[in-house]
Amino acid sequence: EDQVTQSPEALRLQEGESSSLNCSYTVSGLRGLFWYRQDPGKGPEFLFTLYSAGEEKEKERLKATLTKKESFLHITAPKPEDSATYLCAVQANNAGNMLTFGGGTRLMVKP
Amino acid sequence: DAGVIQSPRHEVTEMGQEVTLRCKPISGHDYLFWYRQTMMRGLELLIYFNNNVPIDDSGMPEDRFSAKMPNASFSTLKIQPSEPRDSAVYFCASSPVAAGTQYFGPGTRLLVL
Repeated sequence: EDQVTQSPEALRLQEGESSSLNCSYTVSGLRGLFWYRQDPGKGPEFLFTLYSAGEEKEKERLKATLTKKESFLHITAPKPEDSATYLCAVQANNAGNMLTFGGGTRLMVKP
Repeated sequence: DAGVIQSPRHEVTEMGQEVTLRCKPISGHDYLFWYRQTMMRGLELLIYFNNNVPIDDSGMPEDRFSAKMPNASFSTLKIQPSEPRDSAVYFCASSPVAAGTQYFGPGTRLLVL
């Protein structure tokens, strides 16, 4: 059974204080690992897809990396508008387009 | 494109009543997914369709839940009868065949009293 565990559950940062969110996974043949951002009262918004170990993707202050067992979402010099819940999900090779989600990390960035 | 459209955005009902949630996927997407999100259990997949055909409904909690997709541009999730433990946010998502990325709607916040 595919499993995704995210840590920490919650993270408080000061504006400008860089940090990383962790996503550990077990999957029977990884097709892709997905990162989403979810703001309160809204649906998850797609950020990145990573397909193979060693791959990295960047968007503004966010950089996602992937190993064979985990993914990191690095946040550089965060701003208050980066406050949101970040969700990680895996997609297995034999699972159609199904995603298995982790519990998320709730990020709060204080000015 | 307008994105995935869900209605209603909020629903308050009494226990025992029938609830119908609606979803319009992004045009051209072949997959449609229904999720439920709660604080305790996070985001759970209920059922998904490929080309309007239900593929996996193993996440549907019980017989009170049913989902249909009569055509490529419309799907419903029905709860009959509803119970207070069904209170949650229900999301619909769609994805194209090739990419695998799912795009989510704004959700329906359901409260069963």
